[in-house]
Amino acid sequence: GAGVSQSPSNKVTEKGKDVELRCDPISGHTALYWYRQSLGQGLEFLIYFQGNSAPDKSGLPSDRFSAERTGGSVSTLTIQRTQQEDSAVYLCASTSDFSHEQFFGPGTRLTVL
Amino acid sequence: AQSVTQPDIHITVSEGASLELRCNYSYGATPYLFWYVQSPGQGLQLLLKYFSGDTLVQGIKGFEAEFKRSQSSFNLRKPSVHWSDAAEYFCAVGRSGAGSYQLTFGKGTKLSVIP
Repeated sequence: GAGVSQSPSNKVTEKGKDVELRCDPISGHTALYWYRQSLGQGLEFLIYFQGNSAPDKSGLPSDRFSAERTGGSVSTLTIQRTQQEDSAVYLCASTSDFSHEQFFGPGTRLTVL
Repeated sequence: AQSVTQPDIHITVSEGASLELRCNYSYGATPYLFWYVQSPGQGLQLLLKYFSGDTLVQGIKGFEAEFKRSQSSFNLRKPSVHWSDAAEYFCAVGRSGAGSYQLTFGKGTKLSVIP
């Protein structure tokens, strides 16, 4: 497919467990973003990767959150020792160097019991 | 810091009626402005964007938005709403960063359409 894909689409976990969320951006897109969308809230920026530059981690809410991007393509967002307040939809977006449009994936709905 | 305010959490309109969704932004320079739509269970889709030039921008699905610098607003409009327009709408402001743009989103306006 030509769009941004994310997996899994749904994830239910127990409090204290670690989770990994995956994002496959559009081929050739150099920039990748992670956002969190909580119920009744807008999208909260988490982290931004641009090419080979150091990521902008300014939006990560705590040190339990981390992300990496391997080979300038696929990205994984990891949440360690999940808490109930981590329950949200996690959205990934990508964009090319010279475009201002962010293309969003369908999101991963995370539920922490 | 940039911010976006969408004053209306939920709007209900009848099918065929006109629609205006409000968006106010705060940004220290010329903003880049966007409207996205999110249907239930879906990701966000770009409706339209403003970077410069004509302050009235046309988007997909018959939507348009007008940038008013004096009012710091970028309201979304549609002359006749269809039932399929029921969704959540997000306004966003972008700032320049290393070749691409970080977006700050409003909290969204949920649109319900009465048949």
